[in-house]
Amino acid sequence: GAVVSQHPSWVICKSGTSVKIECRSLDFQATTMFWYRQFPKQSLMLMATSNEGSKATYEQGVEKDKFLINHASLTLSTLTVTSAHPEDSSFYICSANVAGSYEQYFGPGTRLTVT
Amino acid sequence: AQSVTQLDSHVSVSEGTPVLLRCNYSSSYSPSLFWYVQHPNKGLQLLLKYTSAATLVKGINGFEAEFKKSETSFHLTKPSAHMSDAAEYFCVVSDRNYGQNFVFGPGTRLSVLP
Repeated sequence: GAVVSQHPSWVICKSGTSVKIECRSLDFQATTMFWYRQFPKQSLMLMATSNEGSKATYEQGVEKDKFLINHASLTLSTLTVTSAHPEDSSFYICSANVAGSYEQYFGPGTRLTVT
Repeated sequence: AQSVTQLDSHVSVSEGTPVLLRCNYSSSYSPSLFWYVQHPNKGLQLLLKYTSAATLVKGINGFEAEFKKSETSFHLTKPSAHMSDAAEYFCVVSDRNYGQNFVFGPGTRLSVLP
């Protein structure tokens, strides 16, 4: 149980275009979903936290107009990278939490390359 | 504020020898602590977790960790390393606000030599 999927697993896009990444909780309803970013050989950095039906809370330094997060249901959150640039190339990982649980359940990640 | 220190950025061991990956944390509350493993270009896999129950926690693949409040440590150990253990390991601290506020350590890369 507690499986989180991400789609796509990898994506290449051209500079200036937008790309959407989906995060789904497959067998549970996620109270909260999180989006992390991981640069090569670095740790995970939290970008934003979202609760279903509410606006996401972004971490300091993360541009909310560039990284649009939608959490329309208890099983789906999306991250849209708008007007992508090469410096946005990274590994994006989502996670989900159930109310009352100490854990976050992590997705397999999405590799974004902006050319 | 919470923080995690992983004292070694890289640890190298020979196959069959013990593994020790060190983690120290800082937290204002009684923390939950986790160890995750990440193989190259893969997502995170939970190895084990401490959430205020037994201080010696056993996880998957023969790993275990001991929560020592007096030392603010949560070191990860394994008696005998296997080649498949080569990966990146992350120590994570979370405050008592169930599953929120995960703070990741910088990671330790484990190499296993034949």
